[in-house]
Amino acid sequence: EAQVTQNPRYLITVTGKKLTVTCSQNMNHEYMSWYRQDPGLGLRQIYYSMNVEVTDKGDVPEGYKVSRKEKRNFPLILESPSPNQTSLYFCASSHFGTSSHEQYFGPGTRLTVT
Amino acid sequence: DAKTTQPTSMDCAEGRAANLPCNHSTISGNEYVYWYRQIHSQGPQYIIHGLKNNETNEMASLIITEDRKSSTLILPHATLRDTAVYYCIVRTLWGQGSSNTGKLIFGQGTTLQVKP
Repeated sequence: EAQVTQNPRYLITVTGKKLTVTCSQNMNHEYMSWYRQDPGLGLRQIYYSMNVEVTDKGDVPEGYKVSRKEKRNFPLILESPSPNQTSLYFCASSHFGTSSHEQYFGPGTRLTVT
Repeated sequence: DAKTTQPTSMDCAEGRAANLPCNHSTISGNEYVYWYRQIHSQGPQYIIHGLKNNETNEMASLIITEDRKSSTLILPHATLRDTAVYYCIVRTLWGQGSSNTGKLIFGQGTTLQVKP
């Protein structure tokens, strides 16, 4: 089954404790992206990647890192989480360069930083 | 990317067709109309997209007016599981404008409530 998976689905952590949210897709997609969703602010793009070893900042990259060492994986790293990073996070993937912007989203990771 | 306007909320009776309108009066010739939906706190789900012709797939139909300034998403037989926020998004192809980042701009969308 074609899918995007994220782990963990729920995470409660404390300020400053490094964490990684994993994202993996099995569709051989070139493009992957991270969004965060907050009430009243909608979905905002954090980082994106056009292909392996190619990443770039989205609209709200501060406090986040990403890497794209393999095509299927695009982990989101919070080196020193803060309470303002409490949010619902989504990973998405898509083929790049086709006529379609059909993006597949993961189930979400709900992160709480205390 | 062109701005879209959607009603904040709509109700639909289960089993009836749900017609969700979207206004995109500033759409340009190379912009497509996309629809996504998000069922409570789940990841957004792609529904359908089109350029100027009407489109149909297993989930829905998309009707685009001849002047392309508005469109309607039709769920032919709405079920309770179709209760969600529906987003109309206008996009260019990859490599043009903000499509360079692949970013999808989700507005406020229409909250569709399907009632028994």
